[in-house]
Amino acid sequence: DQQVKQNSPSLSVQEGRISILNCDYTNSMFDYFLWYKKYPAEGPTFLISISSIKDKNEDGRFTVFLNKSAKHLSLHIVPSQPGDSAVYFCAASTGKLIFGQGTTLQVKP
Amino acid sequence: DTAVSQTPKYLVTQMGNDKSIKCEQNLGHDTMYWYKQDSKKFLKIMFSYNNKELIINETVPNRFSPKSPDKAHLNLHINSLELGDSAVYFCASSQVSQMNTGELFFGEGSRLTVL
Repeated sequence: DQQVKQNSPSLSVQEGRISILNCDYTNSMFDYFLWYKKYPAEGPTFLISISSIKDKNEDGRFTVFLNKSAKHLSLHIVPSQPGDSAVYFCAASTGKLIFGQGTTLQVKP
Repeated sequence: DTAVSQTPKYLVTQMGNDKSIKCEQNLGHDTMYWYKQDSKKFLKIMFSYNNKELIINETVPNRFSPKSPDKAHLNLHINSLELGDSAVYFCASSQVSQMNTGELFFGEGSRLTVL
């Protein structure tokens, strides 16, 4: 029973456009939500997080939005760059981190 | 000067064998983890240690035995390997204060293939 799901296995966008990655969760007790980025043959690296008491957190080109009523999380990347091409994992925490299955983002030049 | 390092990176072995994966972190963190990325790509927590003490033990077969000789090392030993153990195993670390916020530092992963 997966508590964190990323229903889009892949996404392709043009360089300079917006990338929107989505994530759904089922457990209303999660208190932090995070996005990790993973390049091939590397481990995931932390990208951005948001507390459950907020609905938006921004860090440069990356913004995470949290909709608690819909139990939905999204990551916006603006503008997208070819170096953003990677697998993005959504994760949620209640003291242990539970990951989604990842979305592969390809940014085309 | 890799922050979280795992060895070996690749491991191919026969069913029934016993194997170990080692992990070391030089970040000064006090909490370490093992995650398994299965064929469906989900990253699932297996174990977590804080200052050498086991604090998270998910529903993992007891063929898997973690060992933490000190807070900078967390090794994973697997007995009687089965085909379903084939996966990528990731080690990670954090400060205990970051456990709730989920900011973990991951190693590069160890790909285990059981034939």
